[in-house]
Amino acid sequence: NAGVTQTPKFQVLKTGQSMTLQCAQDMNHEYMSWYRQDPGMGLRLIHYSVGAGITDQGEVPNGYNVSRSTTEDFPLRLLSAAPSQTSVYFCASSYVSANTGELFFGEGSRLTVL
Amino acid sequence: GENVEQHPSTLSVQEGDSAVIKCTYSDSASNYFPWYKQELGKRPQLIIDIRSNVGEKKDQRIAVTLNKTAKHFSLHITETQPEDSAVYFCAAHGNNRLAFGKGNQVVVIP
Repeated sequence: NAGVTQTPKFQVLKTGQSMTLQCAQDMNHEYMSWYRQDPGMGLRLIHYSVGAGITDQGEVPNGYNVSRSTTEDFPLRLLSAAPSQTSVYFCASSYVSANTGELFFGEGSRLTVL
Repeated sequence: GENVEQHPSTLSVQEGDSAVIKCTYSDSASNYFPWYKQELGKRPQLIIDIRSNVGEKKDQRIAVTLNKTAKHFSLHITETQPEDSAVYFCAAHGNNRLAFGKGNQVVVIP
Protein backbone atom coordinates (compact mmCIF):
# COMPACT_ATOMS: atom_id res chain seq x y z
CA ASN A 1 0.00 0.00 0.00
CA ALA A 2 1.24 3.48 -0.83
CA GLY A 3 -0.81 5.01 2.03
CA VAL A 4 -1.65 8.69 1.52
CA THR A 5 -0.09 10.28 -1.54
CA GLN A 6 0.03 14.04 -2.05
CA THR A 7 1.09 15.93 -5.14
CA PRO A 8 2.85 18.20 -5.78
CA LYS A 9 5.42 18.24 -2.97
CA PHE A 10 6.46 21.81 -3.76
CA GLN A 11 4.68 24.59 -5.61
CA VAL A 12 5.25 28.31 -6.12
CA LEU A 13 2.30 30.43 -7.20
CA LYS A 14 1.72 34.08 -7.93
CA THR A 15 -1.06 35.93 -6.15
CA GLY A 16 -4.36 35.29 -7.92
CA GLN A 17 -3.37 32.03 -9.56
CA SER A 18 -5.36 28.88 -8.98
CA MET A 19 -4.19 25.36 -8.32
CA THR A 20 -5.25 21.98 -6.97
CA LEU A 21 -3.41 19.92 -4.39
CA GLN A 22 -4.07 16.27 -5.05
CA CYS A 23 -4.57 13.66 -2.34
CA ALA A 24 -5.17 9.97 -2.84
CA GLN A 25 -5.28 7.06 -0.41
CA ASP A 26 -5.37 3.34 -1.10
CA MET A 27 -6.48 2.13 2.34
CA ASN A 28 -10.22 2.37 1.68
CA HIS A 29 -10.53 5.02 4.38
CA GLU A 30 -13.87 6.79 4.62
CA TYR A 31 -12.53 9.84 6.45
CA MET A 32 -10.21 12.28 4.70
CA SER A 33 -9.09 15.75 5.71
CA TRP A 34 -6.81 18.63 4.84
CA TYR A 35 -4.68 20.51 7.38
CA ARG A 36 -2.35 23.43 7.01
CA GLN A 37 0.73 23.81 9.17
CA ASP A 38 2.22 27.20 9.88
CA PRO A 39 5.10 27.96 12.30
CA GLY A 40 3.81 28.21 15.85
CA MET A 41 0.22 27.49 14.80
CA GLY A 42 0.12 23.72 14.86
CA LEU A 43 -2.13 21.83 12.48
CA ARG A 44 -5.34 23.59 11.54
CA LEU A 45 -8.21 21.77 9.85
CA ILE A 46 -9.30 23.24 6.50
CA HIS A 47 -11.95 20.81 5.22
CA TYR A 48 -12.86 17.22 5.86
CA SER A 49 -15.00 14.47 4.40
CA VAL A 50 -16.65 11.49 6.09
CA GLY A 51 -17.33 9.71 2.80
CA ALA A 52 -17.79 10.11 -0.93
CA GLY A 53 -20.13 12.99 -1.73
CA ILE A 54 -19.90 14.48 1.77
CA THR A 55 -17.66 17.39 2.74
CA ASP A 56 -17.65 19.89 5.57
CA GLN A 57 -15.71 22.91 6.70
CA GLY A 58 -13.03 22.85 9.34
CA GLU A 59 -11.43 25.64 11.32
CA VAL A 60 -9.93 27.66 8.43
CA PRO A 61 -11.95 26.95 5.24
CA ASN A 62 -11.92 30.38 3.59
CA GLY A 63 -10.14 30.45 0.22
CA TYR A 64 -10.27 26.68 -0.23
CA ASN A 65 -12.70 24.31 -1.95
CA VAL A 66 -12.90 20.54 -1.79
CA SER A 67 -14.90 17.75 -3.38
CA ARG A 68 -15.09 14.01 -2.77
CA SER A 69 -16.34 12.16 -5.81
CA THR A 70 -14.59 8.88 -4.91
CA THR A 71 -13.47 7.21 -1.69
CA GLU A 72 -9.84 7.41 -2.79
CA ASP A 73 -9.43 11.07 -3.79
CA PHE A 74 -9.83 14.34 -1.92
CA PRO A 75 -8.41 17.31 -3.88
CA LEU A 76 -7.97 20.75 -2.33
CA ARG A 77 -8.50 23.72 -4.63
CA LEU A 78 -7.20 27.23 -4.23
CA LEU A 79 -9.25 29.41 -6.56
CA SER A 80 -7.30 32.66 -6.18
CA ALA A 81 -4.10 32.20 -4.19
CA ALA A 82 -3.06 34.78 -1.61
CA PRO A 83 0.26 35.19 0.25
CA SER A 84 -1.58 34.20 3.48
CA GLN A 85 -1.99 30.74 1.98
CA THR A 86 1.74 30.14 2.00
CA SER A 87 1.99 27.05 4.17
CA VAL A 88 2.65 23.34 4.34
CA TYR A 89 -0.47 21.35 3.56
CA PHE A 90 -1.12 17.85 4.85
CA CYS A 91 -3.78 15.47 3.70
CA ALA A 92 -4.78 12.82 6.24
CA SER A 93 -7.16 9.88 6.29
CA SER A 94 -8.53 7.39 8.78
CA TYR A 95 -10.80 4.39 8.76
CA VAL A 96 -14.13 5.90 9.71
CA SER A 97 -13.75 9.20 11.50
CA ALA A 98 -11.02 11.09 13.26
CA ASN A 99 -11.90 9.57 16.63
CA THR A 100 -11.79 5.91 15.75
CA GLY A 101 -8.07 5.57 15.37
CA GLU A 102 -4.94 6.68 13.68
CA LEU A 103 -4.85 9.54 11.20
CA PHE A 104 -2.48 8.69 8.38
CA PHE A 105 -0.78 11.75 6.94
CA GLY A 106 0.67 12.33 3.51
CA GLU A 107 4.20 13.68 3.16
CA GLY A 108 2.97 17.25 2.85
CA SER A 109 2.89 19.86 0.10
CA ARG A 110 4.86 23.07 0.57
CA LEU A 111 3.10 25.98 -1.13
CA THR A 112 4.59 29.44 -1.55
CA VAL A 113 2.43 32.29 -2.84
CA LEU A 114 4.34 35.34 -4.03
CA GLY B 1 -15.37 24.27 18.58
CA GLU B 2 -12.73 22.40 20.50
CA ASN B 3 -9.74 24.42 21.73
CA VAL B 4 -6.55 22.56 22.64
CA GLU B 5 -3.60 24.20 24.37
CA GLN B 6 -0.15 22.75 24.97
CA HIS B 7 2.48 23.71 27.52
CA PRO B 8 5.37 24.34 27.45
CA SER B 9 6.08 25.32 23.84
CA THR B 10 9.71 24.21 24.07
CA LEU B 11 11.24 21.65 26.39
CA SER B 12 14.93 20.77 26.71
CA VAL B 13 15.92 17.67 28.65
CA GLN B 14 19.15 15.81 29.30
CA GLU B 15 19.39 12.42 27.69
CA GLY B 16 18.06 9.81 30.10
CA ASP B 17 15.77 12.24 31.93
CA SER B 18 11.99 12.31 31.64
CA ALA B 19 9.91 14.75 29.63
CA VAL B 20 6.31 15.73 30.34
CA ILE B 21 4.05 17.69 28.02
CA LYS B 22 0.65 18.87 29.18
CA CYS B 23 -2.44 19.70 27.16
CA THR B 24 -5.79 21.13 28.09
CA TYR B 25 -8.99 20.94 26.10
CA SER B 26 -12.25 22.86 26.24
CA ASP B 27 -15.03 20.55 25.02
CA SER B 28 -16.17 18.19 27.77
CA ALA B 29 -17.76 15.97 25.09
CA SER B 30 -14.37 15.15 23.53
CA ASN B 31 -13.62 11.46 23.92
CA TYR B 32 -10.43 10.68 22.03
CA PHE B 33 -6.98 12.13 22.69
CA PRO B 34 -4.06 11.16 20.44
CA TRP B 35 -0.47 12.31 20.45
CA TYR B 36 1.49 12.79 17.24
CA LYS B 37 5.24 13.11 16.78
CA GLN B 38 6.68 15.10 13.90
CA GLU B 39 10.37 14.90 13.13
CA LEU B 40 11.96 17.71 11.18
CA GLY B 41 10.72 17.72 7.59
CA LYS B 42 8.55 14.66 8.09
CA ARG B 43 4.85 13.96 8.41
CA PRO B 44 3.14 13.69 11.82
CA GLN B 45 2.81 10.14 13.06
CA LEU B 46 0.68 8.74 15.86
CA ILE B 47 2.68 7.58 18.88
CA ILE B 48 -0.02 6.92 21.46
CA ASP B 49 -3.67 7.67 22.09
CA ILE B 50 -6.18 7.40 24.90
CA ARG B 51 -9.95 7.32 25.09
CA SER B 52 -12.12 8.99 27.67
CA ASN B 53 -12.98 5.77 29.50
CA VAL B 54 -9.32 5.17 30.38
CA GLY B 55 -7.15 7.12 32.81
CA GLU B 56 -3.70 6.01 31.72
CA LYS B 57 -2.04 4.11 28.90
CA LYS B 58 1.57 3.01 28.48
CA ASP B 59 3.64 1.85 25.54
CA GLN B 60 7.24 1.12 26.43
CA ARG B 61 8.85 4.50 27.32
CA ILE B 62 5.74 6.51 26.49
CA ALA B 63 2.66 7.02 28.62
CA VAL B 64 -0.39 9.23 28.47
CA THR B 65 -2.62 10.23 31.38
CA LEU B 66 -6.07 11.75 31.18
CA ASN B 67 -7.97 13.79 33.77
CA LYS B 68 -11.48 14.29 32.42
CA THR B 69 -12.62 16.35 35.38
CA ALA B 70 -9.86 18.91 34.87
CA LYS B 71 -9.94 18.48 31.08
CA HIS B 72 -6.25 17.90 30.69
CA PHE B 73 -4.01 15.11 29.48
CA SER B 74 -0.26 14.63 29.50
CA LEU B 75 2.43 12.81 27.58
CA HIS B 76 5.25 11.27 29.59
CA ILE B 77 8.48 10.13 27.96
CA THR B 78 10.92 8.30 30.21
CA GLU B 79 14.63 7.62 29.64
CA THR B 80 14.73 10.13 26.79
CA GLN B 81 16.98 9.44 23.83
CA PRO B 82 18.24 11.73 21.03
CA GLU B 83 15.69 10.22 18.64
CA ASP B 84 12.94 11.58 20.88
CA SER B 85 13.85 15.09 19.70
CA ALA B 86 10.85 16.26 17.67
CA VAL B 87 7.70 18.33 17.77
CA TYR B 88 4.86 16.66 19.66
CA PHE B 89 1.22 17.53 19.00
CA CYS B 90 -1.67 16.67 21.25
CA ALA B 91 -5.18 16.55 19.85
CA ALA B 92 -8.73 16.16 21.01
CA HIS B 93 -11.66 14.83 19.08
CA GLY B 94 -15.03 16.49 19.14
CA ASN B 95 -17.85 16.92 16.60
CA ASN B 96 -16.19 14.75 13.93
CA ARG B 97 -13.07 16.88 13.96
CA LEU B 98 -9.65 16.38 15.42
CA ALA B 99 -8.35 19.66 16.87
CA PHE B 100 -4.59 19.89 17.39
CA GLY B 101 -2.59 21.91 19.84
CA LYS B 102 0.19 24.16 18.57
CA GLY B 103 2.92 21.67 19.30
CA ASN B 104 5.83 21.25 21.72
CA GLN B 105 9.43 21.25 20.55
CA VAL B 106 11.31 18.65 22.62
CA VAL B 107 15.09 18.78 22.47
CA VAL B 108 17.05 15.92 24.04
CA ILE B 109 20.58 17.03 24.92
CA PRO B 110 23.14 14.20 24.64
